[in-house]
This record gives sequence, C-alpha cells and structure tokens, in this order.
Amino acid sequence: QKEVEQNSGPLSVPEGAIASLNCTYSDRGSQSFFWYRQYSGKSPELIMFIYSNGDKEDGRFTAQLNKASQYVSLLIRDSQPSDSATYLCAVKSSGDKLTFGTGTRLAVRP
Amino acid sequence: AAGVIQSPRHLIKEKRETATLKCYPIPRHDTVYWYQQGPGQDPQFLISFYEKMQSDKGSIPDRFSAQQFSDYHSELNMSSLELGDSALYFCASSTSGWQGSTDTQYFGPGTRLTVL
Repeated sequence: QKEVEQNSGPLSVPEGAIASLNCTYSDRGSQSFFWYRQYSGKSPELIMFIYSNGDKEDGRFTAQLNKASQYVSLLIRDSQPSDSATYLCAVKSSGDKLTFGTGTRLAVRP
Repeated sequence: AAGVIQSPRHLIKEKRETATLKCYPIPRHDTVYWYQQGPGQDPQFLISFYEKMQSDKGSIPDRFSAQQFSDYHSELNMSSLELGDSALYFCASSTSGWQGSTDTQYFGPGTRLTVL
C-alpha cells in the first residue's frame, strides 16, 4: 500500500463544473498536506496547503482535511480547460520529505 | 517573483558518465530539496540540505552525492550513470526547513536527464 493514495483518473468534468479530487494517507503522524498541479513535462506548482482539520478556501480552490479519516481533498469550482492537468497530493510526515501520491489526471471539457 | 532556478534544463549523457545538476533557491530560502521523477511516476525525495548541512535523506543511490554551498545553491552530482537514471530532477526550496518544519516547498523547472 502506498503511503499516499489517489485515484489516477482521468477525472473528466465539463467546463464550469466542480471537480473533486481525493487523497488518503497512511501515516497518522502526518503534519501538513499540499496540493500541487503538474502539467506534462513541467514542474509541480503549489495550489494549496492545509495543516488543520476543516476547510481552507483560496479563490476557486478549497482544500478539506480530515485527520481522523486520514483524508484530504481538493475542490475546484468553475473548472476551466486550463485546469486540465495532473493534481498531486503531497504529505509531510517526519523529516523534510514530501511523499506524493501518483496524481489524478483532470480533464475539463469545453 | 523570483523562482527556483535549475541548470541545465536538459542534459544528455552516456552510460557510466557523470553529471552535475545545479539549483539556485528562491532568495532568502535556506533549504533545498532534490526529487527524482521517472516517466509516469510521482516525484521521489532524494535528499535535502539546511544551512549547508544534510537534513534528510531519502532514496538516493550511493552513486549520487549532493551539497549546499555558502550562497545556499546546491549541486547534485551523479556518477556511473545508468539508463534508469533518466528522469526529471527537481529542486525545491523553502525557508527554515529543518526536520519537522511545515514550510512549503516551491519547485524549480527541473532538469531532464537522458542517459543513452
């Protein structure tokens, strides 16, 4: 079992819809959680970070964290074709390293 | 805003050759991290440095070494290159990244290494 699990997708949503991306993690001692967006062949770009249980909103993006369920999600409202990318969930447990999930491919249909 | 700078952006080497990748962190960031991302894979943590000292180590092969210099830039040295070393190598930087910190890591554009 991978330490960080994501559905690989592709997740296909129509333009203007809400895209919901999910991630589970195995280490209960995990401290901080990140969502990165990665276009093919490019570097991971930070979208959101969340440290505490609950919701955190930033523009069209909302991150949700439930430590009891070891679950973190990302909602993208008013999805645009330019949001089409792979979304990587990353977890920081101990030390410096980020442990990534394999990513969910999102496709937003015009 | 200034971002992480990596050089070179593309590198082609033969098997058994050596390669050096460079990373210049965001100004005032004191911690650098190296990740390797193979085709279709998620980024894998290699090593990190804080204030010129190694602060954490991941799945870095013994053939690889790295260091951080007084100006905070870092270099990843790779020797006896193998075909399986072909990957994207990302450097990330953050502030005060000693173990346990929650500081956010910002990624550079990466170096695409191809080993023939």
